[in-house]
Amino acid sequence: NAGVMQNPRHLVRRRGQEARLRCSPMKGHSHVYWYRQLPEEGLKFMVYLQKENIIDESGMPKERFSAEFPKEGPSILRIQQVVRGDSAAYFCASSPPGLNEQFFGPGTRLTVL
Amino acid sequence: LAKTTQPISMDSYEGQEVNITCSHNNIATNDYITWYQQFPSQGPRFIIQGYKTKVTNEVASLFIPADRKSSTLSLPRVSLSDTAVYYCLVGEKNYGQNFVFGPGTRLSVLP
Repeated sequence: NAGVMQNPRHLVRRRGQEARLRCSPMKGHSHVYWYRQLPEEGLKFMVYLQKENIIDESGMPKERFSAEFPKEGPSILRIQQVVRGDSAAYFCASSPPGLNEQFFGPGTRLTVL
Repeated sequence: LAKTTQPISMDSYEGQEVNITCSHNNIATNDYITWYQQFPSQGPRFIIQGYKTKVTNEVASLFIPADRKSSTLSLPRVSLSDTAVYYCLVGEKNYGQNFVFGPGTRLSVLP
């Protein structure tokens, strides 16, 4: 059973461009979580999704950020019109239904020039 | 969501036992305590989870007193490769919810 997969591992964007981060959960996991981590800090929750539904987006900025977890395919975290402050590591985690044991992916490191 | 407090950093030497204590004074009845380990440039990795008393696996032990307001992660005979950041989290086991990560404890194992 492959672990949580994220791609790309590194992403460089210029200010104003869009960033798309992908997360494929572990097989059988229907819950996906996105976190952001700045250097030397702990992870900050952004959004929690189940298949085709956003359950909790309280940690996600209201503007420029969106997330989806379609019926088929990976979960996508989308950042529009990126700014330098969006530079961070973005981690995805998944858990099986009914259990809050979260398995983390390797992260995507976003650099905004 | 219960807030947790841990030491910011700890130093140890190879072969020693390391105990990291976490305070969670407002833990709820349904909350479990979970510890994660994170190496640089990697995602956090699950270490151990418990509700009360003591839990042991092949990697660590978790001690939880009766009042559950704190917990202690015990790493036996640490090695250099145990140098990492350790996070203590609390949350319900059977309900998907976001984890609240504090700054964690940065453990440095010295030769």
